[in-house]
Amino acid sequence: RKEVEQDPGPFNVPEGATVAFNCTYSNSASQSFFWYRQDCRKEPKLLMSVYSSGNEDGRFTAQLNRASQYISLLIRDSKLSDSATYLCVVLLFSGGYNKLIFGAGTRLAVHP
Amino acid sequence: GAVVSQHPSRVICKSGTSVKIECRSLDFQATTMFWYRQFPKQSLMLMATSNEGSKATYEQGVEKDKFLINHASLTLSTLTVTSAHPEDSSFYICSAGRWNQPQHFGDGTRLSIL
Repeated sequence: RKEVEQDPGPFNVPEGATVAFNCTYSNSASQSFFWYRQDCRKEPKLLMSVYSSGNEDGRFTAQLNRASQYISLLIRDSKLSDSATYLCVVLLFSGGYNKLIFGAGTRLAVHP
Repeated sequence: GAVVSQHPSRVICKSGTSVKIECRSLDFQATTMFWYRQFPKQSLMLMATSNEGSKATYEQGVEKDKFLINHASLTLSTLTVTSAHPEDSSFYICSAGRWNQPQHFGDGTRLSIL
């Protein structure tokens, strides 16, 4: 079983749509959680951290359920510029050091 | 502006050449730096964790003698691909951060071995 699992997509949605991505992680000792965005042939860029209480940044809302080991990202009012791959990332403290584990990513394509 | 600088951004060289990639944190001291590799249409794969002042911790399947990592200071880590071959051609990315804070990524190095 992969340590971080995501639906690879692609999700093809029209502008203005609301889209939700899900992610599950296997290690209950995971400490911190993030969503990154990666454009084609570019480096990942931090989109937002994910907190147990849920957090929102403009059109983006992230949720974490530690009991279910489940993370979500909701994008409202999708824009063409949201087209990218969204990476679910988990930080795990193991063996005396921090380790980032990436999901395979979910591709989003927003069309006019 | 960028908080992590990675250099070079593009390398094309002959098989058998060793290639060094630098990763610098620009305005903070990184307790940990990570090195990743990404093949086309695949996710980032962690290669190793670079700890300042100590030996790097390699992921299973990553050859230590092939991918030499040096983390000489809290702002600089280097990855050397020794005797590179075409199968080493990939996108190499570093990230740097502090403790359990989000990591910031370098722009990546696209390595092509002919």
